[in-house]
Amino acid sequence: AQKVTQAQTEISVVEKEDVTLDCVYETRDTTYYLFWYKQPPSGELVFLIRRNSFDEQNEISGRYSWNFQKSTSSFNFTITASQVVDSAVYFCALSPNSGGYQKVTFGTGTKLQVIP
Amino acid sequence: DAGVIQSPRHEVTEMGQEVTLRCKPISGHDYLFWYRQTMMRGLELLIYFNNNVPIDDSGMPEDRFSAKMPNASFSTLKIQPSEPRDSAVYFCASSSFPGREQYFGPGTRLTVT
Repeated sequence: AQKVTQAQTEISVVEKEDVTLDCVYETRDTTYYLFWYKQPPSGELVFLIRRNSFDEQNEISGRYSWNFQKSTSSFNFTITASQVVDSAVYFCALSPNSGGYQKVTFGTGTKLQVIP
Repeated sequence: DAGVIQSPRHEVTEMGQEVTLRCKPISGHDYLFWYRQTMMRGLELLIYFNNNVPIDDSGMPEDRFSAKMPNASFSTLKIQPSEPRDSAVYFCASSSFPGREQYFGPGTRLTVT
């Protein structure tokens, strides 16, 4: 069975602070993809990043960075110098090979509130 | 591209009525997904299609739910009869290839009274 755990239900930070959102996953598949999606107050889900299980390189995109550690089954997401526009619910997701990569399991989400 | 289009955006209906949700995926995407989002259960995959064919409907909660994809640019999710516990936001998403990111529509907020 596949499982994605986002232990932080809600996080509040003051603008310009850095914040890390945790994601821990479980799968018996050796090949899988990991994703992060953002759901702003408007409601739609927006794709942020996709990672292949074979690629443990960390990635940085502007103020966003992701740390993938296969040894700890974690795929954490850091926002540097947070802004009010970052306020949203963030979902981590797992797409394993055994589901043909199509059966995506989402975590329960972390609600981030950035206070001005 | 216009992205994934869903209609209606909001639907309020009475218990026992039939509800039909509609989705137009991104052109060229061969995979279409229906999800349901609730506070209690989070985001759940209901069913997905590949080239208009239903591949996995194991997430469909009951026989009251059915989904079709008559062509590459249109899919429906039908609930008949609807019940108050069906109240949720229903998302449609599409992707181009296995393992690729999914692009979500704006969702349909369904309220069954």
